[in-house]
Amino acid sequence: KAGVTQTPRYLIKTRGQQVTLSCSPISGHRSVSWYQQTPGQGLQFLFEYFSETQRNKGNFPGRFSGRQFSNSRSEMNVSTLELGDSALYLCASSRSGTNTGELFFGEGSRLTVL
Amino acid sequence: QQQVKQSPQSLIVQKGGISIINCAYENTAFDYFPWYQQFPGKGPALLIAIRPDVSEKKEGRFTISFNKSAKQFSLHIMDSQPGDSATYFCAASPISSNTGKLIFGQGTTLQVKP
Repeated sequence: KAGVTQTPRYLIKTRGQQVTLSCSPISGHRSVSWYQQTPGQGLQFLFEYFSETQRNKGNFPGRFSGRQFSNSRSEMNVSTLELGDSALYLCASSRSGTNTGELFFGEGSRLTVL
Repeated sequence: QQQVKQSPQSLIVQKGGISIINCAYENTAFDYFPWYQQFPGKGPALLIAIRPDVSEKKEGRFTISFNKSAKQFSLHIMDSQPGDSATYFCAASPISSNTGKLIFGQGTTLQVKP
């Protein structure tokens, strides 16, 4: 069974640009969550999508947005990039509804903003 | 109330020793407490998890101890091995809400010396 796939794995952008990251969840998983990981702040929840609807949102500015498609694939977008947006962006999927709580993480997309 | 505090930040243990990582939370609505293990270049992976109705859960060399009244929980790694060298994150969630949102601790980098 394929795991969570994130693309691209690495990318470099400059301040003011925007970026789109993609996540393909494990087959059958309908919930996709996004996390930002930085050395200083650790793992911080960005948002969660379930059945194409945002179900939960973390404390990030509106420059961070996301969406989910009917096949459960998800994208997140960061507009007007700032230096502080440099981070590892992790996507996690879960089989929502079983209440097991286990999140399956991808290997992340490492964003560097210059 | 949304914080999970984790200590120590880093830990060095000799092979065969016991590694202990502690976490504390404030939000009494949390009812699911997982531990995730992350190797360099990889996403976090669920190691072991506990619900508040038990005080201890053991899986192989890994044990979670849970103290509901103190709002603290800890991970014990018995007979630590060099392969256990990784970053460990505790987390908490109101799992009854069935979302993909986890509140993570800051992480502990464990090094097990041969």
